[in-house]
Amino acid sequence: AQKVTQAQTEISVVEKEDVTLDCVYETRDTTYYLFWYKQPPSGELVFLIRRNSFDEQNEISGRYSWNFQKSTSSFNFTITASQVVDSAVYFCALSGTPSGGSYIPTFGRGTSLIVHP
Amino acid sequence: GAGVSQSPSNKVTEKGKDVELRCDPISGHTALYWYRQSLGQGLEFLIYFQGNSAPDKSGLPSDRFSAERTGGSVSTLTIQRTQQEDSAVYLCASSETSGYTGELFFGEGSRLTVL
Repeated sequence: AQKVTQAQTEISVVEKEDVTLDCVYETRDTTYYLFWYKQPPSGELVFLIRRNSFDEQNEISGRYSWNFQKSTSSFNFTITASQVVDSAVYFCALSGTPSGGSYIPTFGRGTSLIVHP
Repeated sequence: GAGVSQSPSNKVTEKGKDVELRCDPISGHTALYWYRQSLGQGLEFLIYFQGNSAPDKSGLPSDRFSAERTGGSVSTLTIQRTQQEDSAVYLCASSETSGYTGELFFGEGSRLTVL
């Protein structure tokens, strides 16, 4: 069985602050994939990033960065200099492989980020 | 549009009635998922279709729930004898391949309210 925990239910920040969204996962698979999705208010989930279990390199895309650490089973997401448009619910997800039996993406409960002007 | 289309966007029904929710995936996407999103509960997997393979129904919460996918394209999720606990947003997603390696493309969801 696989599990994704996003312990932060809601985070409130003021514009230009940096914010980190935590994601901790559990899986028995040796090969797996981690994802982050963004769900803006009244909108559909949008894919942000995917990492596979063999690539622990951190990634940066503009103001977004991701820190993948297998040693702590975490895949955290940092937004630098947050903006009001970053306000959304962010979901972390995990999938294994068919051979491992856990190939259906499992989502965390989401973290609601509110950025105040 | 070219995205995943779901209908209706909102559905209010009375307890005990049947409802059908429709999903039109992105053309050419072989994988299709239904998830349910309840307040504060994240996304709960319901059912998965992949090409012509038998669907993975392991997430369906009861036998009142069923889904089909015709011609490898449009999918319909049916809930019979609706209960108040069925109230949620039902999300459909499609993927170009099997989905476990690649991104899922989500529709805007069908919000179901059971009175």
